[in-house]
Amino acid sequence: DQQVKQNSPSLSVQEGRISILNCDYTNSMFDYFLWYKKYPAEGPTFLISISSIKDKNEDGRFTVFLNKSAKHLSLHIVPSQPGDSAVYFCAARFSGGGADGLTFGKGTHLIIQP
Amino acid sequence: GAVVSQHPSRVICKSGTSVKIECRSLDFQATTMFWYRQFPKQSLMLMATSNEGSKATYEQGVEKDKFLINHASLTLSTLTVTSAHPEDSSFYICSVHPGGRGYTFGSGTRLTVV
Repeated sequence: DQQVKQNSPSLSVQEGRISILNCDYTNSMFDYFLWYKKYPAEGPTFLISISSIKDKNEDGRFTVFLNKSAKHLSLHIVPSQPGDSAVYFCAARFSGGGADGLTFGKGTHLIIQP
Repeated sequence: GAVVSQHPSRVICKSGTSVKIECRSLDFQATTMFWYRQFPKQSLMLMATSNEGSKATYEQGVEKDKFLINHASLTLSTLTVTSAHPEDSSFYICSVHPGGRGYTFGSGTRLTVV
């Protein structure tokens, strides 16, 4: 049972436009959310995160929005650049009193077209 | 952030043999490390949490006798896939959580069992 869902396997966006990647979760215990970028045969690279006490976090071209009531978060990339083409994973964690691993979605392959 | 080195980056082994994967935290003393596995077009799945000086904690469905984890020092955790079979072929990734922003991942190990 997928607790973190990324329902779009792929997304194609024109260079310079906004890319919006979506993520839904089912476990209300999750209190910390992260977005990672991944190239084939490489480990994920951290992009941005958000705590459940916030609804928005911004870092340069990347903004993450969290809607707790809808159990939904999204990553906005603006403007989109060719180097942004990669697979983006949404991940979540709940603080169970110790160091906990992450639960990942299946990823969305973002393709930035020139 | 932390720097994580994972070795080897890819390995091909014969069915029935064992393979050891190393994960080193180069600039952070990690009492805990995480091991993930990713099958093609799937999400990263947490396999186990490696604890320095004590037994690893395995996720449900992960065979602890097949995936041996040793975390003998604060900078090194190893995952040994014992008696590997073709269905164990996957991408294995380790990570550490230095606190604060996100988790840092190694570059991953592509295991192919023939």
